[in-house]
Amino acid sequence: DAKTTQPPSMDCAEGRAANLPCNHSTISGNEYVYWYRQIHSQGPQYIIHGLKNNETNEMASLIITEDRKSSTLILPHATLRDTAVYYCIVSPGEDGGFKTIFGAGTRLFVKA
Amino acid sequence: NAGVMQNPRHLVRRRGQEARLRCSPMKGHSHVYWYRQLPEEGLKFMVYLQKENIIDESGMPKERFSAEFPKEGPSILRIQQVVRGDSAAYFCASSRREDYEQYFGPGTRLTVT
Repeated sequence: DAKTTQPPSMDCAEGRAANLPCNHSTISGNEYVYWYRQIHSQGPQYIIHGLKNNETNEMASLIITEDRKSSTLILPHATLRDTAVYYCIVSPGEDGGFKTIFGAGTRLFVKA
Repeated sequence: NAGVMQNPRHLVRRRGQEARLRCSPMKGHSHVYWYRQLPEEGLKFMVYLQKENIIDESGMPKERFSAEFPKEGPSILRIQQVVRGDSAAYFCASSRREDYEQYFGPGTRLTVT
């Protein structure tokens, strides 16, 4: 079973920020939060990951709450090409990462 | 740097035949993962391999399915005596040893007729 909970779908206007929430209340100290997305039927694409600090890269920002029980993926200026299913995943850290469990994800619709 | 390669991209097999799916990881990646995605469903983990070793095959069906990642050459997912329920997209991903972000291939779409 997935260790994360995400809303099934969200809408966002083109050019606005898309904020995708994820609950992972059972996360343990050495587990990372990863985000991937899958556009239509393509292979999933890695977006970003973090342990406890907020992270930013060229694609997105990841905000992790202080208690690490939830996080938010932020796409700062969503475009139509960001329409995809976004998966939030909890993955073991350096001492044992292997089985990755994808939940149902959030289907993000970016509208013109 | 080429990404993860999978072939064939589309594979059609009749019931009872064998299906062989190949995955070449990114250069420098020694960890390979296989996932299955049924139509309109999410990705399901199947197996995790390192070179010449199966690390976790807890997602693999007990019968007919096998996977390998030899010292030389691509990783192979083999499905014997395919049935219609095996029709799905099969994705391979690879990662480096030091961190665990996975890079996915384009998938192989298997259709069993």
